[in-house]
Amino acid sequence: GIQVEQSPPDLILQEGANSTLRCNFSDSVNNLQWFHQNPWGQLINLFYIPSGTKQNGRLSATTVATERYSLLYISSSQTTDSGVYFCAVNYGGSQGNLIFGKGTKLSVKP
Amino acid sequence: DTEVTQTPKHLVMGMTNKKSLKCEQHMGHRAMYWYKQKAKKPPELMFVYSYEKLSINESVPSRFSPECPNSSLLNLHLHALQPEDSALYLCAGAVTLGTSPLHFGNGTRLTVT
Repeated sequence: GIQVEQSPPDLILQEGANSTLRCNFSDSVNNLQWFHQNPWGQLINLFYIPSGTKQNGRLSATTVATERYSLLYISSSQTTDSGVYFCAVNYGGSQGNLIFGKGTKLSVKP
Repeated sequence: DTEVTQTPKHLVMGMTNKKSLKCEQHMGHRAMYWYKQKAKKPPELMFVYSYEKLSINESVPSRFSPECPNSSLLNLHLHALQPEDSALYLCAGAVTLGTSPLHFGNGTRLTVT
């Protein structure tokens, strides 16, 4: 099956810093989504981004499907950005199965 | 507030109990999902319903039984669970299967004693 690898696994930032999270996948995908899971377990959909670039406030994402990677940019980080960021992909004939990477755990210090 | 509502938020049950997890959405999602998440791990897919029909069953043990009574409701019936089944159970919905964003509920934290 497809492999989804996220890097780095852990990231510690000072408030106000910028960061880039990466998601590599081993096969062609139908779509890719980025999620943020806060410390209380709530999973929020950040981006649905099978290709191209999208921006939402301080966050932006870029997926280069032909090169099998996606990037999530966080600018001017805040303590509320802390949590785990997952990328998840949907591929092949099994359209419903969204495969998650292992996540990047982000800690933003005040 | 989320578009997908799960109840209860917390559940403690013994290994001989029967309980149900409930998930409700009124956003027109025609694809609905159950995921299981252990601590410090990514969510793992259990079941997918598309237009109220079971589309995917990821080889889940029969002690977990899903049900989709209508387009707004999704249940997960639990029976004879094991302590290792303790986890966060997440319901999610999407407008269409595989081609639209997935939106999660807040989850049910299940502890099996």
